[in-house]
Amino acid sequence: DAGVIQSPRHEVTEMGQEVTLRCKPISGHDYLFWYRQTMMRGLELLIYFNNNVPIDDSGMPEDRFSAKMPNASFSTLKIQPSEPRDSAVYFCASVGGPNQPQHFGDGTRLSIL
Amino acid sequence: GDSVTQMEGPVTLSEEAFLTINCTYTATGYPSLFWYVQYPGEGLQLLLKATKADDKGSNKGFEATYRKETTSFHLEKGSVQVSDSAVYFCALRASGYSSASKIIFGSGTRLSIRP
Repeated sequence: DAGVIQSPRHEVTEMGQEVTLRCKPISGHDYLFWYRQTMMRGLELLIYFNNNVPIDDSGMPEDRFSAKMPNASFSTLKIQPSEPRDSAVYFCASVGGPNQPQHFGDGTRLSIL
Repeated sequence: GDSVTQMEGPVTLSEEAFLTINCTYTATGYPSLFWYVQYPGEGLQLLLKATKADDKGSNKGFEATYRKETTSFHLEKGSVQVSDSAVYFCALRASGYSSASKIIFGSGTRLSIRP
């Protein structure tokens, strides 16, 4: 089975540019989560979806961040404009059903110069 | 609110040493408890879980017992290997929510094993 697939694995861009991170959850999973991981703040939940609908976006740091899930097999996390403090590893995870664990992708390492 | 507290790292041990990583939680009701492991350059993977009091989760030689009386879920392994070097996260999923709702993670404990 293919796991959660994230792209790109690494992204380096200049401050002020738009950044788009992509996630393909495991087929059949109906919950999708976006996390951010930094040394200072650890693992933070940004937003999660159920059946493509955003359920809780209280972790999204500010209006520069937005997330969409246009269909069951694809989600994006966008940062516009990007800032150096957005540098982190961003993870996507999906869940398949009752009492099932979250399955994580390998993450996107984002560096904003 | 619900929270997870785990021992700060880094933890450095010699190969074949005994490992304990402490984890305590605060939650109402009967949460499910988890240990996740993150190897370098990878996402988190479920290591083991326990869904009710006195349950013992185990996997790859690691064990943790759900202790409601002490609100703890300490991770143990009798003999660690270099390949166990990773970051370990204790986590809970609150009871009363959808079973697929968000999980609350601890801050992670970095474990390094010397050959």
